[in-house]
Amino acid sequence: AQTVTQSQPEMSVQEAETVTLSCTYDTSENNYYLFWYKQPPSRQMILVIRQEAYKQQNATENRFSVNFQKAAKSFSLKISDSQLGDTAMYFCAFCTSGTYKYIFGTGTRLKVLA
Amino acid sequence: ETGVTQSPTHLIKTRGQQVTLRCSSQSGHNTVSWYQQALGQGPQFIFQYYREEENGRGNFPPRFSGLQFPNYSSELNVNALELDDSALYLCASSQGGAGPLGNEQFFGPGTRLTVL
Repeated sequence: AQTVTQSQPEMSVQEAETVTLSCTYDTSENNYYLFWYKQPPSRQMILVIRQEAYKQQNATENRFSVNFQKAAKSFSLKISDSQLGDTAMYFCAFCTSGTYKYIFGTGTRLKVLA
Repeated sequence: ETGVTQSPTHLIKTRGQQVTLRCSSQSGHNTVSWYQQALGQGPQFIFQYYREEENGRGNFPPRFSGLQFPNYSSELNVNALELDDSALYLCASSQGGAGPLGNEQFFGPGTRLTVL
């Protein structure tokens, strides 16, 4: 069975600084997708970034980038130049290719401090 | 393009009652998944519907059931409510198949269910 682990329940970072959120997963599948979702207090889940397992290149979206280590089954999220609006719960999610069943981690609550 | 919508926003029920939650998919999407998110936890997969048929189910009892309609909107029904059913229920829609969006789902704002 697939599992997703986020070992940092809470983190804080000063505005404009960089923070890295950790995620590890376990699977025997070879083709899958990994996601980072942001859930602000308004609670709507917003996709931050997506990584296809078959791609060696790490995904980037503006200030957000990932460090995908397939052999280590690690998928961390780096947020550069943190902004107050980045304050939210961040969830790491796994999905086997061809399905839409997401397996989520327990989340990391990120607070950006002014 | 209209995003995923859910109704109602909040709901309060008592133990033993039944509840129906509704979800309208994003335009062009034929797959709907439902998730339960308990307070302080990540969402847990309940089940998924593809073209009106159940297409995968998580570890939830049969009193959790669903429907998908020809317009791809969906309902989640929960019978014999228990206190532990109190949670945020999220609906997510997707295009289905191996499309260019790579298994991406679009989430609705959720329905907060409180069982007393």
